[in-house]
Amino acid sequence: DGGITQSPKYLFRKEGQNVTLSCEQNLNHDAMYWYRQDPGQGLRLIYYSQIVNDFQKGDIAEGYSVSREKKESFPLTVTSAQKNPTAFYLCASSIADTGTQYFGPGTRLLVL
Amino acid sequence: KQEVTQIPAALSVPEGENLVLNCSFTDSAIYNLQWFRQDPGKGLTSLLLIQSSQREQTSGRLNASLDKSSGRSTLYIAASQPGDSATYLCAVRSRLSASYGKLTFGQGTILTVHP
Repeated sequence: DGGITQSPKYLFRKEGQNVTLSCEQNLNHDAMYWYRQDPGQGLRLIYYSQIVNDFQKGDIAEGYSVSREKKESFPLTVTSAQKNPTAFYLCASSIADTGTQYFGPGTRLLVL
Repeated sequence: KQEVTQIPAALSVPEGENLVLNCSFTDSAIYNLQWFRQDPGKGLTSLLLIQSSQREQTSGRLNASLDKSSGRSTLYIAASQPGDSATYLCAVRSRLSASYGKLTFGQGTILTVHP
C-alpha cells in the first residue's frame, strides 16, 4: 500500500529532552512538509523540503530541526528550545511543491 | 500575508440536508485551493483541489467552487449523511514570492450530521 506513515502515534517528552518524530512515505514524492496543529489555531507550517538534502523554514521553525537525507524520510526533532511542544504533529508530501498534499495519521506529543 | 477564514465554525444538520461550507481568503493571488476532511485524532484527507484557473471541481456528492476575484470558495455537500461528520479544512497555496509553495489553512468547520 502506498502512503505516509508517522511514528509513534503518541510521544511523551520530559523537560529538557529532545525527541524525534518519524515520517516516511513510499509515494515517490519530492516535497515533504511538517505541520503543527493546536486547538482553535488550525495548521501551521514548521518546515518543508522540496528535494533531498534541502529544506526551508516555515512560519514556526524555532525550537525544531529537520533533515532530508533520503527521499522517503523527513524526521522532525523537537528540541528543548521549544517551550510549548504539546500539539498534534502532521507530516505531508506532494509530487511537487504545488501539487495535492497527502497527510500522514499524525503524532500527538505530550509533555510530562 | 495571506489569511484564510472559514464560516461557520460549527454546523449541525439533520441527515439528508444539502449544506454549504464557506472559505474566504485575503489575497487573490493564489496558485490553488484545497479542501480537506479531518476525523477526530486523525490526519487530513484531501477531498478536492481547485487550480486558480478553474471555477469548480466535483467528486461524488461534493462540489467545490472558487471565485478568486472575491476571495471565496464554497464546499457544497449534497444529501448529507452521518458519515460526513468531521472537521472540514480549507487551505490556500499563495503565489507570493516569499511564501511560494506554502499552504495557509483556515481554522476549519466542525460538521455534525444527525441521523
